[in-house]
Amino acid sequence: EVQLVQSGAEVKKPGESLRISCKGSGYSFTSYWISWVRQMPGKGLEWMGRIDPSDSYTNYSPSFQGHVTISADKSISTAYLQWSSLKASDTAMYYCARLEMATITDYWGQGTLVTVSS
Amino acid sequence: DIVMTQSPDSLAVSLGERATINCKSSQSVLYSSNNKNYLAWYQQKPGQPPKLLIYWASTRESGVPDRFSGSGSGTDFTLTISSLQAEDVAVYYCQQYYSTLSYTFGQGTKLEIK
Repeated sequence: EVQLVQSGAEVKKPGESLRISCKGSGYSFTSYWISWVRQMPGKGLEWMGRIDPSDSYTNYSPSFQGHVTISADKSISTAYLQWSSLKASDTAMYYCARLEMATITDYWGQGTLVTVSS
Repeated sequence: DIVMTQSPDSLAVSLGERATINCKSSQSVLYSSNNKNYLAWYQQKPGQPPKLLIYWASTRESGVPDRFSGSGSGTDFTLTISSLQAEDVAVYYCQQYYSTLSYTFGQGTKLEIK
């Protein structure tokens, strides 16, 4: 069974750093890209960027380029989304999702809620 | 970026009636070399991650009830629920995957029972 299991909810202060994770199982982790998607409270889905775990090649939506970093460790089938300096506006649910053949997003993680508040 | 625009933003339909959601892309998502439309539909219920319903604009994901159907080509697409059930109350999103530089979503359509 394909599963993407994300790390737990986080509460952080502005200016702090954070890395959240997404562990894939039930499939060949390096054969599928991983996307990250943001959903701010009460709002829609925003595609942030993606990584190819086989070579760690990434690309980002222009809206998120320079604000977050996506990485992966294929030895442990885990992708990451990280911030170096959080802002209150980063408060959101973050989903990882699997991209089949660089096209269809077929499986989603359960989401990680990030709250940034002083 | 390819901009995806859904209409309406919200929709109220009676149980058993047809629900229709539209999605328009700012440029064609039809790939001429394989004649496929790079367009998917997702359903998101409160407190849950999105769920894939339709891909290639009209191919139903395994396990999705056949009351859900997708149609359209190029820049204009439609998700139709032929006979609305109570469990279909959700927010629906379209997404293009034509541009691998940015897999943009529509803003979402909230579907409720009238």
